Amino acid sequence: NAGVTQTPKFRILKIGQSMTLQCAQDMNHNYMYWYRQDPGMGLKLIYYSVGAGITDKGEVPNGYNVSRSTTEDFPLRLELAAPSQTSVYFCASQRDRGLYGYTFGSGTRLTVV
Amino acid sequence: AQTVTQSQPEMSVQEAETVTLSCTYDTSESDYYLFWYKQPPSRQMILVIRQEAYKQQNATENRFSVNFQKAAKSFSLKISDSQLGDAAMYFCAYRSPLANSKLTFGKGITLSVRP
Repeated sequence: NAGVTQTPKFRILKIGQSMTLQCAQDMNHNYMYWYRQDPGMGLKLIYYSVGAGITDKGEVPNGYNVSRSTTEDFPLRLELAAPSQTSVYFCASQRDRGLYGYTFGSGTRLTVV
Repeated sequence: AQTVTQSQPEMSVQEAETVTLSCTYDTSESDYYLFWYKQPPSRQMILVIRQEAYKQQNATENRFSVNFQKAAKSFSLKISDSQLGDAAMYFCAYRSPLANSKLTFGKGITLSVRP
């Protein structure tokens, strides 16, 4: 089915380890986003991209990095994981501006211990 | 920067009854877009309904409708004939019509449905 695919769905990291959260979409959307969701805090934007080769910081970018080498893929890199990065991470894509809402991936629950 | 406020962290409704979830936002823009998303226990984010600010008519999607009060900057979601499957967290979100605009989310409301 067309949509946004996130992997892995669950992961436990040790403090100081690194990992990459994968995100791929097959809808040819230019706009892609990474959010984190913490209990009682809603969704906070980490990074976003408006097209291949273009990325920009969101509200909470510290401790993360992204790249966008193709329209389809938008991986999120965590370097030197910290307990504060324990969260649920969502990738989303959007067709264009306007009334189109986001299409979300199913999320990654990350625990840093 | 725009902000979205969902002041009620939890609500409960009896099955088959109607419930209204509140959302207010702060903006200086005259045109924008508003959304309600549902997040069931499966964690998947599902778009429920959307509204363009320049349209005065309130959006409706089956049992879901909104009460959009532009002057009051209020965007409440009404769920009619509540069903057990409506139990979820609901997020209100705002987007500017400007280029590169992102969704700004409220903190969410947890809705429980009593059988």
